[in-house]
Amino acid sequence: GIQVEQSPPDLILQEGANSTLRCNFSDSVNNLQWFHQNPWGQLINLFYIPSGTKQNGRLSATTVATERYSLLYISSSQTTDSGVYFCAVSRAYKYIFGTGTRLKVLA
Amino acid sequence: DAGITQSPRHKVTETGTPVTLRCHQTENHRYMYWYRQDPGHGLRLIHYSYGVKDTDKGEVSDGYSVSRSKTEDFLLTLESATSSQTSVYFCAIGSGSPGELFFGEGSRLTVL
Repeated sequence: GIQVEQSPPDLILQEGANSTLRCNFSDSVNNLQWFHQNPWGQLINLFYIPSGTKQNGRLSATTVATERYSLLYISSSQTTDSGVYFCAVSRAYKYIFGTGTRLKVLA
Repeated sequence: DAGITQSPRHKVTETGTPVTLRCHQTENHRYMYWYRQDPGHGLRLIHYSYGVKDTDKGEVSDGYSVSRSKTEDFLLTLESATSSQTSVYFCAIGSGSPGELFFGEGSRLTVL
C-alpha cells in the first residue's frame, strides 16, 4: 500500500517564526489533505489539495503530485498553531495518514 | 461544520465485553470510515464503507466488524473487547469519491 512520511516529526518555534512541513508519499494519489489536530483532539481540515497551490490566511500548501510530495507553510506562527499536523492521501477509497508533525509554538 | 455525530464519546468497559460505536451523519455522503488513533501511530484505517451494505477492511481490521444498513449510520463493533483496543476512535465521511474527508469528534474507549 501507499506509504506516507512526514517531516520533521517534531518542531518547536518561537511565536512569529515561519515553518515548512513536508509530506512524501510512495505512489500516485488522487486526493491529498492536510489536517490540524488541536490540543483538544479535534481534527480540523486545512487544505484539500491533490495538486497545485492554495492559501488560507497565514497558511498555504503546495502539492507536486508528479514528484509525490506536498508542503504546508505556516507563516508568522501563533501559539494557537500548536498541535499535530497530518497529511493524508488516497488513490481509491482509502485515505492513509502519515504519523504527523508535532508543532509547539512558544510565546 | 460537517454533521457527524459519534456516540458514545467516552466509554470504559471490561475485557471480553462487546462494544458498539455509532457514527451518524446528516450530509448524505456515500463514504464513511472508522479510524483509530494511538500514540506513535497516527490514524490507522479500521474499516470503511462506500455505500449501504458495502464495506471493506482497512489496515487494522482484526477484532472489528462494521455494518451500514442506512446511508446515515456506520457502526463499529468490537465483539469481545481487549486491552489492545483501548484507543480513540474517529469516524469520517467523504464528500466525493471519496473527495474531502471530514471527521467527527472522536470516541475514547478504555478496555480494562
